[in-house]
Amino acid sequence: QQPVQSPQAVILREGEDAVINCSSSKALYSVHWYRQKHGEAPVFLMILLKGGEQKGHEKISASFNEKKQQSSLYLTASQLSYSGTYFCGTPWGAGGYNKLIFGAGTRLAVHP
Amino acid sequence: EAGVAQSPRYKIIEKRQSVAFWCNPISGHATLYWYQQILGQGPKLLIQFQNNGVVDDSQLPKDRFSAERLKGVDSTLKIQPAKLEDSAVYLCASSLGTSSARGGRFSNEQFFGPGTRLTVL
Repeated sequence: QQPVQSPQAVILREGEDAVINCSSSKALYSVHWYRQKHGEAPVFLMILLKGGEQKGHEKISASFNEKKQQSSLYLTASQLSYSGTYFCGTPWGAGGYNKLIFGAGTRLAVHP
Repeated sequence: EAGVAQSPRYKIIEKRQSVAFWCNPISGHATLYWYQQILGQGPKLLIQFQNNGVVDDSQLPKDRFSAERLKGVDSTLKIQPAKLEDSAVYLCASSLGTSSARGGRFSNEQFFGPGTRLTVL
C-alpha cells in the first residue's frame, strides 16, 4: 500500500517554514525521506526508525508517530536549495529486504 | 567514492523495439535496485538483487522486462518489446544492505544513479 503524502505541492518564500506529511494504512517500522531536484536522482535525507529519536539534516528535521502511522518532515527557514520533490518511502513485503514503496511526492518551490 | 553509474542517460526508441540499460553500483554494495519513475510519480521498484540473486521481482512485467546481475556487481535491465507506456526514467540504486535482523526493521539508505530517460514513440 503506497503511503499518502500531503500536501501535493507547497510554494514558499525564503525563510518560511513548511511541513510535509506521510501516512500509511499499515503499521510502520521505518520511514525514509528523499529529495529529488528537477532532472536529478533522488537523494537520501534521513531514516526514521520505530522507537528512534527525531532526526535532522541541515535545517530539515522529521518525526515519526508510530501510533498514527505517519511521519512529518519539517523544513525550517527554507532556502532556495530546498526546492524539489520530497518522497517518503515505507518498507513493504516480507523478509525485510530493504524494499521501499514511495509516495507520490510533495513538490516544494522556494522563491526569493 | 564513485557513485552509481548508469548508461545511457537518454534513449529514444519506437514501440516494439528493444532497449537495454546498464548500471554499475557503488563498490561493495550488495543490494541493487531497478526503479521505474513515470513523470510526476514516485519511483516504483521493478526488481531487487542481493548480490547476484533476485530477492523481489513481483512488480516486474516479466513478459517484456528482464534483468540480470550475473557476477553480483553491475546489472542490465532490458525491455523487449517496448510499449508507449514504458516511457519513464529508469533509476538504478544500490545499498550496503542485507535483511534486517530485527522484526523487519532496516536502516540502509539507497544511493541512486542519474537514471536513463526512455522515450518510446
